[in-house]
Amino acid sequence: EVQLVESGGGLVKPGGSLRLSCAASGFTFTTYSMNWVRQAPGKGLEWVSSISTSSSFIYYADSVKGRFTISRDNAKNSLYLQMNSLRAEDTAVYYCARLYDILPASNFDYWGQGTLVTVSS
Amino acid sequence: QSVLPQPPSASGTPGQRVTISCSGSSSNIGSNTVNWYQQLPGTAPKLLFYTNNQRPSGVPDRFSGSKSGTSASLAISGLQSEDEADYYCAAWDDSLNGVVFGGGTKLTVL
Repeated sequence: EVQLVESGGGLVKPGGSLRLSCAASGFTFTTYSMNWVRQAPGKGLEWVSSISTSSSFIYYADSVKGRFTISRDNAKNSLYLQMNSLRAEDTAVYYCARLYDILPASNFDYWGQGTLVTVSS
Repeated sequence: QSVLPQPPSASGTPGQRVTISCSGSSSNIGSNTVNWYQQLPGTAPKLLFYTNNQRPSGVPDRFSGSKSGTSASLAISGLQSEDEADYYCAAWDDSLNGVVFGGGTKLTVL
């Protein structure tokens, strides 16, 4: 069974940093591109970042470019999102999602349960 | 304003057919495939349709997807109470070099 489990969310002050993790299991992690998608409270879905299988291709939304860094450790079946210079508008539930196709694509076939990041003083 | 405008709400009675539209441009829907997601209250999104009109296993055939030019639509026939959810379209955007989501449509079953 495919499982994606996010962790690392919490309360952080504006300007602070946080690192999210996503532990993957139940599939061959090395053969799938991975992604982060977020959802602000009461709002719609917003794509954040994508990373290819070998980390050769990485994409970011303009809203996080230069502040967030996506990475993966294929030996540990894990995906990460390093978030720096956090702003109030980054407050959201962050989902880890597996990409069904190869990049560039937008068909996320499995999602984690999400981890809440709250940026507030 | 979302890159892929969707009607914010839709509604229907049990058994009815409902259609949700998703409008795009040549850089996203016009040149890439469209995917649809269903998000039930309090849960993570679920892939409902991929590559315009492909239904993952487990998705009832009451749901159908289509794409024409720079627009796409999701149709739900034989509406059921459990279909009450938020629905999002998504596509890769060649100009933005990233994924764009529709603003979402909240479906209410009356």
